[in-house]
Amino acid sequence: GQQVMQIPQYQHVQEGEDFTTYCNSSTTLSNIQWYKQRPGGHPVFLIQLVKSGEVKKQKRLTFQFGEAKKNSSLHITATQTTDVGTYFCAGPGGAQKLVFGQGTRLTINP
Amino acid sequence: NAGVTQTPKFQVLKTGQSMTLQCAQDMNHNSMYWYRQDPGMGLRLIYYSASEGTTDKGEVPNGYNVSRLNKREFSLRLESAAPSQTSVYFCASSVGGYTEAFFGQGTRLTVV
Repeated sequence: GQQVMQIPQYQHVQEGEDFTTYCNSSTTLSNIQWYKQRPGGHPVFLIQLVKSGEVKKQKRLTFQFGEAKKNSSLHITATQTTDVGTYFCAGPGGAQKLVFGQGTRLTINP
Repeated sequence: NAGVTQTPKFQVLKTGQSMTLQCAQDMNHNSMYWYRQDPGMGLRLIYYSASEGTTDKGEVPNGYNVSRLNKREFSLRLESAAPSQTSVYFCASSVGGYTEAFFGQGTRLTVV
């Protein structure tokens, strides 16, 4: 079935450094979603990208959808301790399913 | 303003025991999902229901059964719990299959 691969699995940064996580699919995606899960919490929706080459920003977060709609990235500029958590991408898995990548766990040294 | 409500929040089972995880949403969503989360494995789909009256297997359905009782409720049953089913279980719902998913708080299940 449809798989969405996400890298890296873990990332540790100093506060103020940038952070990027990547999501790749072997097939074209109709859309891709990004979620954030705080430690001990549940995933919370951040954004959905639909168009080829789309770029969306939320304050220090920049989301991109590749031209071929097979990859996506989330970039955080100047990380803050509030950015700690696991970031997931998710894409359609066929037949109304939503499948998630493995997630990137971000830890930050203040 | 409840959103997605899961019960219980914590559970310890002995191997071989059965239990049902309950999930209810009050957003009039069509699609509902059950995921399990294990360290390093992300969120894996167990079962989903695209609409009331339908259920389908996800990536890891073995050892589980589900019931879409009505549009609001989607339960997950473990008939004979095994230690490999120790995990955090999340229920989620969405308007449709590819739209924003809303998650419950999760159930932390330990099978000993």
